[in-house]
Order: sequence, then structure tokens, then C-alpha cells
Amino acid sequence: SQKIEQNSEALNIQEGKTATLTCNYTNYSPAYLQWYRQDPGRGPVFLLLIRENEKEKRKERLKVTFDTTLKQSLFHITASQPADSATYLCAPLPANRLAFGKGNQVVVIP
Amino acid sequence: NAGVTQTPKFRILKIGQSMTLQCTQDMNHNYMYWYRQDPGMGLKLIYYSVGAGITDKGEVPNGYNVSRSTTEDFPLRLELAAPSQTSVYFCASSYTDGRTQGFFGPGTRLTVL
Repeated sequence: SQKIEQNSEALNIQEGKTATLTCNYTNYSPAYLQWYRQDPGRGPVFLLLIRENEKEKRKERLKVTFDTTLKQSLFHITASQPADSATYLCAPLPANRLAFGKGNQVVVIP
Repeated sequence: NAGVTQTPKFRILKIGQSMTLQCTQDMNHNYMYWYRQDPGMGLKLIYYSVGAGITDKGEVPNGYNVSRSTTEDFPLRLELAAPSQTSVYFCASSYTDGRTQGFFGPGTRLTVL
């Protein structure tokens, strides 16, 4: 069956450093992969979408890579700030379904 | 644009009661989704729809029903509430499939006692 895996342990990181999160998927080949941010008690908010023929995508301090050979996406937050503390969800997308990994919590320490 | 709206925000149900969670979007999106999120856990897809009149099951459809009679509305029905359905429910929509971003509603927090 299709699986989406994100590290269940929270990532604690010092302000100003780069946070890197991993999303692995198995048993399917998504053409697109999306990343979302979720704050406690709120719905997820879309951040970035990357296509299978794009190796890297950037938006301000965020960078996403997509390695279809490794079946993996990496999500980077550079120059992290306390306001970046949240849970980040990946969604490698099969047709018709917006299915998510469990998410990876980031805590940025001032 | 209100985006995706959900009602109610909170609800407490007794075991065996029924209720409908409402979801409306004003962006003319074809795709709509219902998720549940248990404390400390990820989003699990309950049902989704790719257009009016078309619905399909997600990972955890048991105990729920949906309908999609209009593009705007995608209500989720709980027929016989059980404690295992205590969760936060999110509705989302997107214009097409994975090629376009998803927009989420604020959620409904449901407790079944």
C-alpha cells in the first residue's frame, strides 16, 4: 500500500540555523508534491508545490527538493525564526487524492 | 472570498446521535475533501469528491457518509456517533488534483461522550 513517512520526532533548532525535514514515500510515483504548514488548532496552509521534473523550488526562506529516484523530498527553512515553529506536512500526490504524511514538528529556539 | 467555511466550530454529541458537518467553498473548486485529525496525529482522508455528484472513499470512511449535490457544498454525515469519532474534522478544496494547492477550512472539533 502507499505510504508517506515523516519523522515523528520534533526538530529543535536554534534561531538562525537551517531546519531540514524529510518526506519519504513508497509504492507509488507522484507527479507533484506539496508542503503545508499547520499551527496548533488551525487548518493546514499551503506553502510550496514541486513537480516531478523540477529538482528544486524556492520561496523566500523555504527550499524544497524532489528526488523521484530516492522517493524523497527535503524541506529546508533557512535562517529560521521562532515564528517558523509549527508542524510541516508533506503531500506527495497520486491522482485525485490530497493525502498527507503525519507531519514533522519544528521548534525554533530563540 | 470567504474561502472554505465549516460549521459548527465545536460540537458535543452523545453516543448514537447523528449530525452533519457543513462545508462550503466559494472558489468554484472542483475537488473537495474531508479529513479527521486525532490529537498528535496526522490528517486522515475520510472522503473526497472530484465534482458535483461524484464522491469516493478515502482511508477511513467507516461511520461517515457524504454527498455533493452542488459545487460549493460537501457535507459530512455521522449517523451513529461513537467515541472513536472524537476528533477535529477539516474540510479542504482545490481547483483540480495535485497540480493545484489545497485550501483548508478552520475545522470542527467534535467530542462524542
